[in-house]
Amino acid sequence: GNSVTQMEGPVTLSEEAFLTINCTYTATGYPSLFWYVQYPGEGLQLLLKATKADDKGSNKGFEATYRKETTSFHLEKGSVQVSDSAVYFCALRGSGGSNYKLTFGKGTLLTVNP
Amino acid sequence: DAEITQSPRHKITETGRQVTLACHQTWNHNNMFWYRQDLGHGLRLIHYSYGVQDTNKGEVSDGYSVSRSNTEDLPLTLESAASSQTSVYFCASSTSGALNEQFFGPGTRLTVL
Repeated sequence: GNSVTQMEGPVTLSEEAFLTINCTYTATGYPSLFWYVQYPGEGLQLLLKATKADDKGSNKGFEATYRKETTSFHLEKGSVQVSDSAVYFCALRGSGGSNYKLTFGKGTLLTVNP
Repeated sequence: DAEITQSPRHKITETGRQVTLACHQTWNHNNMFWYRQDLGHGLRLIHYSYGVQDTNKGEVSDGYSVSRSNTEDLPLTLESAASSQTSVYFCASSTSGALNEQFFGPGTRLTVL
């Protein structure tokens, strides 16, 4: 079945540092890939997505590239801010037109200190 | 504005009691999902529905049930609450289109004593 593995952290950075959160996946066919973010006390919200190989998703300074050859979708940001402190989830949607379920990684807690 | 709401936001109950968590969305989405979030496990799918009268089991469905009598609501019932069901529960909804972004509710924190 489908699975997602991401670095569990926690990750602690200083403001303006470079961020990488690794995510790899196992799936048949051509899944769609997502990063969701959860701020303290809130539900998850979509951060970015990519639906095919070599696609780059980007939003709010965050980027991730769908690498089929390495089955990866690593999240990066060049300069983090205190407001980026949150839990980040990598997720995939399996291929198949009627499959709308998401499989999530375990989440990575990011803390950014001023 | 369209939204997805959950109630109650916090609930304390006793072992053996039946509990129902409500989820209501106003986007007219066909797809609705229930997840539980636990430290070290991320989000795990409990049940999901792709339309009225349709329900399906997820990876951790034992002890839970859902019913879908209209498009807007997917209540989650714990038939006989157990301490292992202490968790934070999230409801989500999505369209059936290619974009398939899931929109999440604010969560319900359930404690079973």
